[in-house]
Amino acid sequence: GDSVTQMEGPVTLSEEAFLTINCTYTATGYPSLFWYVQYPGEGLQLLLKATKADDKGSNKGFEATYRKETTSFHLEKGSVQVSDSAVYFCALVFRGSQGNLIFGKGTKLSVKP
Amino acid sequence: DAGVIQSPRHEVTEMGQEVTLRCKPISGHNSLFWYRQTMMRGLELLIYFNNNVPIDDSGMPEDRFSAKMPNASFSTLKIQPSEPRDSAVYFCASSKTSGKETQYFGPGTRLLVL
Repeated sequence: GDSVTQMEGPVTLSEEAFLTINCTYTATGYPSLFWYVQYPGEGLQLLLKATKADDKGSNKGFEATYRKETTSFHLEKGSVQVSDSAVYFCALVFRGSQGNLIFGKGTKLSVKP
Repeated sequence: DAGVIQSPRHEVTEMGQEVTLRCKPISGHNSLFWYRQTMMRGLELLIYFNNNVPIDDSGMPEDRFSAKMPNASFSTLKIQPSEPRDSAVYFCASSKTSGKETQYFGPGTRLLVL
């Protein structure tokens, strides 16, 4: 079945370090891809998305490129801040579906000053 | 817009009691989703509605769980009777009807069943 696989956490980085969180998916067809972020004690918020191959989503210094050939949507940021500490979820949804997201298990990021 | 509104934000109850969680989706959104989040199982989709009609409830753990959406602006998730293993954070999310549309999440209800 359709699924999303994320790298396991937790990930601990120092401030200003480079971040990569890997995400790959298994799906029949061509889904839209999302990264959601959950800050402590809060609900999930959309961070960025891409709806077709080679699209790049970006927001708050984060980027992810929809790679159809490798079925991946890795999240990157060039210089993380303490305020980026959160849990990051990769997700997909199929166009034409009722819109139910399929989430990865989440990757916890801790950024130390 | 106020975003997705959930109530209560926190609920502590005793095993065997009925628990009702409430959600008000964003106005104009036609799809509504209920999720449960635990440390062990992560984020699980319980049920989702489209135009107030339940589309897929295969994620509902068992008959103790039920969900309704009597109109476009209100949904409930009920657990009766509640058990300690139901302790989790329950999220409601809504979106416009489309496979590409972003889901907007509420702040969640943190449920503790003693």
